[in-house]
Amino acid sequence: LAKTTQPISMDSYEGQEVNITCSHNNIATNDYITWYQQFPSQGPRFIIQGYKTKVTNEVASLFIPADRKSSTLSLPRVSLSDTAVYYCLVAPRNSNYQLIWGAGTKLIIKP
Amino acid sequence: DAGVIQSPRHEVTEMGQEVTLRCKPISGHNSLFWYRQTMMRGLELLIYFNNNVPIDDSGMPEDRFSAKMPNASFSTLKIQPSEPRDSAVYFCASRDRSTNEKLFFGSGTQLSVL
Repeated sequence: LAKTTQPISMDSYEGQEVNITCSHNNIATNDYITWYQQFPSQGPRFIIQGYKTKVTNEVASLFIPADRKSSTLSLPRVSLSDTAVYYCLVAPRNSNYQLIWGAGTKLIIKP
Repeated sequence: DAGVIQSPRHEVTEMGQEVTLRCKPISGHNSLFWYRQTMMRGLELLIYFNNNVPIDDSGMPEDRFSAKMPNASFSTLKIQPSEPRDSAVYFCASRDRSTNEKLFFGSGTQLSVL
């Protein structure tokens, strides 16, 4: 299973766009990239998933370059409520259950 | 749907006591996961059920831990006897066969063993 590397923490300000990059050099051909968000005292919540190029939903965008060895989660115009830990995971689309959760990126949004 | 429901939210107990954590997955989901989260080790998978059958319990720390899923709408994680090092947040998550990649987590049980 591919391991991921993310920054331990990031700071930004309200209204800014935040980009969190995840490195996954050993990603396999059938691996998808998934991001989760975790607020204090809550379980992780699915944000977005992609395989290549760009995916966008109502919450975020996910950019994946052609070599797929990294990915960038983009949060547009963040607010204080976006302060959370963000996890990047890679796994086969139909993997049964083995997801490797790293330490995630603690994002702190300041007023 | 109310989401994945876990109880209790908080549990404080003394070393040696039995602890039972409960989980109600989202209706229709066929996979259930128990995770443990600590500052030191992050999120660790304890056990995975598919269609109520335990598929992989290799993450269960030791024989003091046991998990059951008697039906599709209920699962328990039991620790007997509990030890201070078991203190952690325990999460239950479920997954729908049609959205295979998306896990839905409960709010967790904060366990403190004194």
